[in-house]
Amino acid sequence: EVQVVESGGGLVQPGGSLRLSCAASGFTVGSNLMTWVRQAPGKGLEWVSLIYTDDNTYYADSVKGRFTISRDNSKSTLYLQLNSLRVEDTAVYYCARSHIEVPGIDYYMDVWGKGTTVTVSS
Amino acid sequence: SYELTQPPSVSVSPGQTASITCSGDKLGDKYACWYQQKPGQSPVLVIYQDAKRPSGISERFSGSNSGNTATLTISGTQSMDEADYYCQAWDSSTAHVVFGGGTKLTVL
Repeated sequence: EVQVVESGGGLVQPGGSLRLSCAASGFTVGSNLMTWVRQAPGKGLEWVSLIYTDDNTYYADSVKGRFTISRDNSKSTLYLQLNSLRVEDTAVYYCARSHIEVPGIDYYMDVWGKGTTVTVSS
Repeated sequence: SYELTQPPSVSVSPGQTASITCSGDKLGDKYACWYQQKPGQSPVLVIYQDAKRPSGISERFSGSNSGNTATLTISGTQSMDEADYYCQAWDSSTAHVVFGGGTKLTVL
């Protein structure tokens, strides 16, 4: 079965750090475009970061310089390092397998995990 | 930065057709996709590349995209279709993924 399972969320104080993990099964993260998306309580979906198969990475302006996306192909696991956390980073964080079939105009996410909750509070 | 605009809410009677719009500058020049999210659950892809349905998605879901507007259409709407729906596109100028604000579909 193709699936992803996120973990690593928790309660952290403002300014603190967390590392989120996303374990993939049924496919390899190294061979796929992967994305992190978050959803604050009662709010909509917000794109956070993506990593291409060539290791190019991109970040939303709201997290650039604080979050780092990476992966361990041997473990088929995607990571998101969260540093300098703020109260507004409180959200459920999802990872998703992603696709670009027509470069420049196409991007979609077909396999989503259940998410892991990050709460930033003093 | 590129923006996608959705109506906050849409209501439909059971068995009728629901249409949810997503507007963005020259959105028709990109591919749009749509996700369904039920309360307490993860998003599910229901339409990709404007009009394609992933395996397992009901034929009642269809999509179109032209000009500045993409539309998700749900025919023969059922109570199980009550959910939040999000459109999404790719902003090639910034290499960013963009989501619409979401539309809450209510089946009255």
